[in-house]
Amino acid sequence: EDQVTQSPEALRLQEGESSSLNCSYTVSGLRGLFWYRQDPGKGPEFLFTLYSAGEEKEKERLKATLTKKESFLHITAPKPEDSATYLCAVQAGGNDYKLSFGAGTTVTVRA
Amino acid sequence: NAGVMQNPRHLVRRRGQEARLRCSPMKGHSHVYWYRQLPEEGLKFMVYLQKENIIDESGMPKERFSAEFPKEGPSILRIQQVVRGDSAAYFCASSPWGQDPGLGNTIYFGEGSWLTVV
Repeated sequence: EDQVTQSPEALRLQEGESSSLNCSYTVSGLRGLFWYRQDPGKGPEFLFTLYSAGEEKEKERLKATLTKKESFLHITAPKPEDSATYLCAVQAGGNDYKLSFGAGTTVTVRA
Repeated sequence: NAGVMQNPRHLVRRRGQEARLRCSPMKGHSHVYWYRQLPEEGLKFMVYLQKENIIDESGMPKERFSAEFPKEGPSILRIQQVVRGDSAAYFCASSPWGQDPGLGNTIYFGEGSWLTVV
């Protein structure tokens, strides 16, 4: 069974204080690793897909990286609007395209 | 370019009633997924459908829950005889068909339907 573990559960940052979120995974034949952002009362918003170890993707203050066992989401110089829950999910190989999610990391950025 | 549309956004049902949640996928998407998010818990997969076909229902409770995605119209998640433990946010997601099968198939989520059972 696919397993996704995110750490820490919660992260409180001062505006401008860079940090990283971790996503460790166990999956048979990774097809893709996904990062989403979720605001309270909203659906997950797609951020990145990473397909192979060594791959990196960036969007504004966010940068996602992937190794064979884990992924990191780096937040550089965060702003209060970056406050959200960040979800990591894996998609295994084969004919089933479903995502298996971690529990998420809730990030709070104080001004 | 409308995203994944879910309705109703909020639904209140008494114990024993039926709840029907509807989902219209993004234009051009033929794969639909339903996920449930219980309070203080993560997103749990329920069912994966293509038009007129259930591909994977391994996350669906065996009783009272059913899903369909007809040839015409939205996907429906139906919960019969609701109980308090069914109170949760139900998210629908969709993805396109035809992407390179060797790559991930990006899945886009709707805003969710919040079910409260009283």
